[in-house]
Amino acid sequence: EIVLTQSPGTLSLSPGERATLSCRASQSVSSSYLAWYQQKPGQAPRLLIYGASSRATGIPDRFSGSGSGTDFTLTISRLEPEDFAVYYCQQYGSSPRVTFGGGTKVEIK
Amino acid sequence: EVQLVESGGVVVQPGGSLRLSCAASGFTFDDYTMHWVRQAPGKGLEWVSLISWDGGSTYYADSVKGRFTISRDNSKNSLYLQMNSLRTEDTALYYCAKVQQDFTIYDAFDIWGQGTMVTVSS
Repeated sequence: EIVLTQSPGTLSLSPGERATLSCRASQSVSSSYLAWYQQKPGQAPRLLIYGASSRATGIPDRFSGSGSGTDFTLTISRLEPEDFAVYYCQQYGSSPRVTFGGGTKVEIK
Repeated sequence: EVQLVESGGVVVQPGGSLRLSCAASGFTFDDYTMHWVRQAPGKGLEWVSLISWDGGSTYYADSVKGRFTISRDNSKNSLYLQMNSLRTEDTALYYCAKVQQDFTIYDAFDIWGQGTMVTVSS
């Protein structure tokens, strides 16, 4: 099973700042089958990025994903008030069994 | 509108059984692989199980293998999770989720339900 480790656990930033979230896999994620989700309190997760770098439908272009192999990054270029949330990475390609990272909370500084 | 609505979550005693349901609408249900994902209170996301569009392939997390069974009824646009031998650590909000593309197992989840809460407690 591929283990995904997200860092940092918590990111304290101000609106307008750039956020950089990391997701490291214990082994290579095949075909960049890596996704990022945003979850706000009391809500279901929302797909942001799939295939490591493709934005899902309706996702603003301030969200971008990059990386391959074992190291992946989610970048939010300029934080908007609605972006403060928990972010999860997910791998869905190395076996049918999906795994999620532990999450990074982006909080208002 | 594409929608998933879970139901069936209740308080159940350890060792008990429960069946969760997920009603799908707004898309061609029998073309898509479906998943169950759970989230314990205050914790992260944990994948539970998947079933292919035709029900021919099923997979489980090690933590639930042998106790949970995923199934679907494409004639009713419904997904199910039969949960047996429940443990306190199964307490969680259970989400059903749909993959983006039809006729594939390996894909991200573009639609999620709002979840149904299962509490295992004596």
